[in-house]
Amino acid sequence: DTGVSQDPRHKITKRGQNVTFRCDPISEHNRLYWYRQTLGQGPEFLTYFQNEAQLEKSRLLSDRFSAERPKGSFSTLEIQRTEQGDSAMYLCASSLGQGNTGELFFGEGSRLTVL
Amino acid sequence: AQSVTQLGSHVSVSEGALVLLRCNYSSSVPPYLFWYVQYPNQGLQLLLKYTSAATLVKGINGFEAEFKKSETSFHLTKPSAHMSDAAEYFCAVTPGGSSASKIIFGSGTRLSIRP
Repeated sequence: DTGVSQDPRHKITKRGQNVTFRCDPISEHNRLYWYRQTLGQGPEFLTYFQNEAQLEKSRLLSDRFSAERPKGSFSTLEIQRTEQGDSAMYLCASSLGQGNTGELFFGEGSRLTVL
Repeated sequence: AQSVTQLGSHVSVSEGALVLLRCNYSSSVPPYLFWYVQYPNQGLQLLLKYTSAATLVKGINGFEAEFKKSETSFHLTKPSAHMSDAAEYFCAVTPGGSSASKIIFGSGTRLSIRP
């Protein structure tokens, strides 16, 4: 049984560099979510997809952030021109998308450190 | 708009004592409510959810929560704490009965168990 997997688990980068995170959801799940979590805070919604369609983006998601899910399977989250404030844990979750009662299954996250 | 407030960022109880983690919600429509748990170095996992059926919801590991509309609360309880319950707990909310799927999380409560 493979759950939600995220890669890489840890990324250290210099300010101004671009980074990309990948998320592989549970195979039969058609909804995929990205959240960001900083120390001492709860997960903060960034965006979500139903199949390949991006249905909602948080206003917190600046133009430097872009997410894709080209074939409705895996997803990537790219951060361009990283800033120190981007340092956080980036969480991916998936669900069967049965309305909004579907349980979210989370990956273990990708931790980003921007120096 | 929906939001949740978790009262107390850190709760410490003795092993065998009652666990009570507080969550109050704000929602413009009848909500669905969730409790998630995050063990160290693991992804979040669902403890229980309220989706407008029974107001007293039972979850995994002996936890339960009661939806109280008059108090806009969804507090999490467990009669007898176990050392393995030490973790971070998050309350979350989403609009009920809607295809919208954004789930909003609280800032979390860290539960510590004293021997």
